[in-house]
Amino acid sequence: DTAVSQTPKYLVTQMGNDKSIKCEQNLGHDTMYWYKQDSKKFLKIMFSYNNKELIINETVPNRFSPKSPDKAHLNLHINSLELGDSAVYFCASSHSGADGNTIYFGEGSWLTVV
Amino acid sequence: QKEVEQNSGPLSVPEGAIASLNCTYSDRGSQSFFWYRQYSGKSPELIMFIYSNGDKEDGRFTAQLNKASQYVSLLIRDSQPSDSATYLCAEPPGGSNYKLTFGKGTLLTVNP
Repeated sequence: DTAVSQTPKYLVTQMGNDKSIKCEQNLGHDTMYWYKQDSKKFLKIMFSYNNKELIINETVPNRFSPKSPDKAHLNLHINSLELGDSAVYFCASSHSGADGNTIYFGEGSWLTVV
Repeated sequence: QKEVEQNSGPLSVPEGAIASLNCTYSDRGSQSFFWYRQYSGKSPELIMFIYSNGDKEDGRFTAQLNKASQYVSLLIRDSQPSDSATYLCAEPPGGSNYKLTFGKGTLLTVNP
């Protein structure tokens, strides 16, 4: 059973397009995250939701909009894609106060903007 | 703003040697740390969690936390080629901080 699953795994799209990445976790966690890993491999948090409420919103262009319809899902929509958006986007989840707040990652979505 | 600094590497060791990976952190109140391993093209996976001063051992891996000096390290004994990966130290969320703050990672290569 996949604990944190995200789709699509690979996405190649043209500049200016709008795309979405979906994420689901079946761990019963209350917190979900989006992380971006650039070409230099630095993992940087973008957003976090706790019980469907936005709790972390880092300095990210407005073209990025997360949406959490319920605790088990966190989607990421990107408008007007730019070349610099090419990266790996990781969804992750954790449960407050449990398991040392261990964060579990999905397999990543490789986004390439051409 | 919490910061986690990691010696950027890359680090290359021969098979069977001890690999030593280090992080320093800025927040004196930090209580615990994770070590994640990330193979090329894969997602990070948790390998160690340490929450008290001193050493924690798990097989060939030993994590060390020194709160007075504000550093955390990971030692890998009898390094194997399969240990070749990027190792990330991270400070977990806690209290009002919901972020997992990562260091920039150290690329370890174990040469057969």
